Amino acid sequence: QVQLQESGPGLVKPSQTLSLTCTVSGGSISSGGYYWSWIRQHPGKGLEWIGYIYYSGSTYYNPSLKSRVTISVDTSKNQFSLKLSSVTAADTAVYYCAREWRQLDGSDWFDPWGQGTLVTVSS
Amino acid sequence: SYELTQPPSVSVSPGQTARITCSGDALPKQYAYWYQQKPGQAPVLVIYKDSERPSGIPERFSGSSSGTTVTLTISGVQAEDEADYYCQSADSSGTYPRVFGGGTKLTVL
Repeated sequence: QVQLQESGPGLVKPSQTLSLTCTVSGGSISSGGYYWSWIRQHPGKGLEWIGYIYYSGSTYYNPSLKSRVTISVDTSKNQFSLKLSSVTAADTAVYYCAREWRQLDGSDWFDPWGQGTLVTVSS
Repeated sequence: SYELTQPPSVSVSPGQTARITCSGDALPKQYAYWYQQKPGQAPVLVIYKDSERPSGIPERFSGSSSGTTVTLTISGVQAEDEADYYCQSADSSGTYPRVFGGGTKLTVL
């Protein structure tokens, strides 16, 4: 079955750019009907959706983060990536990647999720 | 922004029924989804499209919808069900297409 794995630096300095990659295995990122999302969870807090990308490259970002977020896809490597610029301590969180199911009736949900990776923003 | 409201905590004894609610203005028009998250683990989908159960999820998990509130019901709660539960949905305008509730901590007494 499809599995996702996040990778990237666990420590980022304030004002720099956070960069993470999600590698998809057990299935093709180019499969139609699926979107690919990033979601984060601040320590001890709830979940916050960051944005999604389709294999074609079309994206949609959470309006609250839109000015700082870029999500890209590399279909040849079966990977998609997150860049979050101008980070502060408030961006310290566990970052998850997830496959998003989307159906014609407008329904969409996340399954499965990667295991998550903690990114700490600190000097 | 759009908000989904969940109670911070729910407590039940083993074998009882737990009900976790999620409220939002757009829920009459938007599907809801539920995730279970155990400590140190990624969330797992337990209900999709208000009341559908993914394969592999025990039958004791069910979902329902009424007006601006959706409910996750766990019948015959077991100790292993102790976890955080999050609802997910969208606003009616499409501006906020994926929103999570604040989460509910289910404690099995």
